Amino acid sequence: NAGVTQTPKFRVLKTGQSMTLLCAQDMNHEYMYWYRQDPGMGLRLIHYSVGEGTTAKGEVPDGYNVSRLKKQNFLLGLESAAPSQTSVYFCASSYFQGYEQFFGPGTRLTVL
Amino acid sequence: AQTVTQSQPEMSVQEAETVTLSCTYDTSESDYYLFWYKQPPSRQMILVIRQEAYKQQNATENRFSVNFQKAAKSFSLKISDSQLGDAAMYFCAYRSAWGGSEKLVFGKGTKLTVNP
Repeated sequence: NAGVTQTPKFRVLKTGQSMTLLCAQDMNHEYMYWYRQDPGMGLRLIHYSVGEGTTAKGEVPDGYNVSRLKKQNFLLGLESAAPSQTSVYFCASSYFQGYEQFFGPGTRLTVL
Repeated sequence: AQTVTQSQPEMSVQEAETVTLSCTYDTSESDYYLFWYKQPPSRQMILVIRQEAYKQQNATENRFSVNFQKAAKSFSLKISDSQLGDAAMYFCAYRSAWGGSEKLVFGKGTKLTVNP
């Protein structure tokens, strides 16, 4: 039981490049989330999904897109990376609203 | 919109002593959940304790307990018999119980240092 995994763990991009972060969970959770963590800011929700095929915007969605084609996977895309997107990205999942959110190990992204 | 405030950016405690981390929140809702998460240097976010707002009894998990004061909108975390492994960032988080409000709202965190 791997829990929540994220790929890759580190990435460096140049401004304007694109990339996709992959989140996978093996707990059969319905809900999945993408957060970003910036120094002194805590974690902020980017996008979330309440089930396969659904996505919704969170607090800071601009510049990101997501897809949930399979229940166990939640992808976060950056179409044209900007230095302001330099951050640590966390994926999380939960069985249902109000239940504990299980977090992945994070991806450190640097945009030059 | 809900907000969570952690007024102590850093705290320190001697090993085996007790420390209390503060958290206050602002909401107009009556039903919600509160959480404390621990983030060690490994970056992994680990749930420490969870409290449902409709429960008056304070949650406890081994050496960790909370003081939940709903009227005061306060949710402090007490760590007893502190251990070196407790050193980490601690985040307080709020989540609405209403459908459609899926996000956790995090405070900015408190960095806890445990001195041997």
